[in-house]
Amino acid sequence: DTAVSQTPKYLVTQMGNDKSIKCEQNLGHDTMYWYKQDSKKFLKIMFSYNNKELIINETVPNRFSPKSPDKAHLNLHINSLELGDSAVYFCASSLTVAGVRGETQYFGPGTRLLVL
Amino acid sequence: QKEVEQDPGPLSVPEGAIVSLNCTYSNSAFQYFMWYRQYSRKGPELLMYTYSSGNKEDGRFTAQVDKSSKYISLFIRDSQPSDSATYLCAMSAYKGNTPLVFGKGTRLSVIA
Repeated sequence: DTAVSQTPKYLVTQMGNDKSIKCEQNLGHDTMYWYKQDSKKFLKIMFSYNNKELIINETVPNRFSPKSPDKAHLNLHINSLELGDSAVYFCASSLTVAGVRGETQYFGPGTRLLVL
Repeated sequence: QKEVEQDPGPLSVPEGAIVSLNCTYSNSAFQYFMWYRQYSRKGPELLMYTYSSGNKEDGRFTAQVDKSSKYISLFIRDSQPSDSATYLCAMSAYKGNTPLVFGKGTRLSVIA
């Protein structure tokens, strides 16, 4: 069973479109994250939710809107996609909010987004 | 200066070599130090975790933290082709919900 799963794995779309990426974890964790990894492999946190509440919101354009319908799911909706949004987006989860600081985070396989 | 600096490599070594991977950082508030391993087209996975200064050993892997120099290292002994991956250092401060800050990662190839 996959611990942290993301859909879709690949996403190719045109500039200006709106798209969503879904994430689910079956580990029973309380905290979930979205990371962006750019072409230079730089991994940067975007958002974190603990028990469905937003606890970290880094400097991310408001075209990006996370939604957590329950503890096991954290989705990412992106409006008006731009070329610079092309990257790999990773979802992750940790048992508690301490994962923000150092408790093990478990990463999904990533969603490769290409904006044309 | 970026908060966390890591040489991206690539680093290529023969099988059996000792590998040394390093990161430097500027934020003296960092207390938690981690090494993640990322295989191609996969998500990162936690390899080693250290709190504050000191050494930690796990099998062929040793993590070292020198807070006075703001320098952390990961040593891999008897390297194997299966160790070929990108290694990312990550660290965070103690207070509040300060998130992990990752280095850019060092790409390692172990040649059989």
